[in-house]
Amino acid sequence: QKEVEQNSGPLSVPEGAIASLNCTYSDRGSQSFFWYRQYSGKSPELIMFIYSNGDKEDGRFTAQLNKASQYVSLLIRDSQPSDSATYLCAVNIQGGSEKLVFGKGTKLTVNP
Amino acid sequence: SAVISQKPSRDICQRGTSLTIQCQVDSQVTMMFWYRQQPGQSLTLIATANQGSEATYESGFVIDKFPISRPNLTFSTLTVSNMSPEDSSIYLCSVTRQGAAETQYFGPGTRLLVL
Repeated sequence: QKEVEQNSGPLSVPEGAIASLNCTYSDRGSQSFFWYRQYSGKSPELIMFIYSNGDKEDGRFTAQLNKASQYVSLLIRDSQPSDSATYLCAVNIQGGSEKLVFGKGTKLTVNP
Repeated sequence: SAVISQKPSRDICQRGTSLTIQCQVDSQVTMMFWYRQQPGQSLTLIATANQGSEATYESGFVIDKFPISRPNLTFSTLTVSNMSPEDSSIYLCSVTRQGAAETQYFGPGTRLLVL
């Protein structure tokens, strides 16, 4: 059973702070890792993907991947109230025809 | 990303009836998937919609309950058959595009309430 684990939260940070979201996965063969943002009542929206160990930055977002530890994280710098949402970590299934396994999500609240 | 639409956006149905959800994409895509998201839960993959052939279902989901069609590269339907209140959920289609393997983009979802 391929699993993706996230802290369900809620995670609460003040505006302007760094929000750190974490995810672990069980399938050592996984090669592709995704972060989605889901606002209440809306569908998931892709924020970032990462394939290689290390950091990948896109604006205020940084994804970090450590395959040896089977760990992927998302940092949000200068958090804004508009970042308040549930963040879903998704991992591909090795040999799984592009299928993804999703974590349960971490609910982030950014307080003004 | 692809522009994805779903119809209906929401519906309220009586138990025992069936509902067909449509997913339309503005351009050709490689893979199309159907997910269910129950209240407060994450996404559960129902099946992969294969063009011109039977869908590939995940464990716990069967064709009789969730028949799926994909007649071409831009359109798919999911039917929720013989509905019960436990089928109340959000149903989402997602797609991948050639050259961006495994990167899935989601439609707006269909919110279903079964009474």
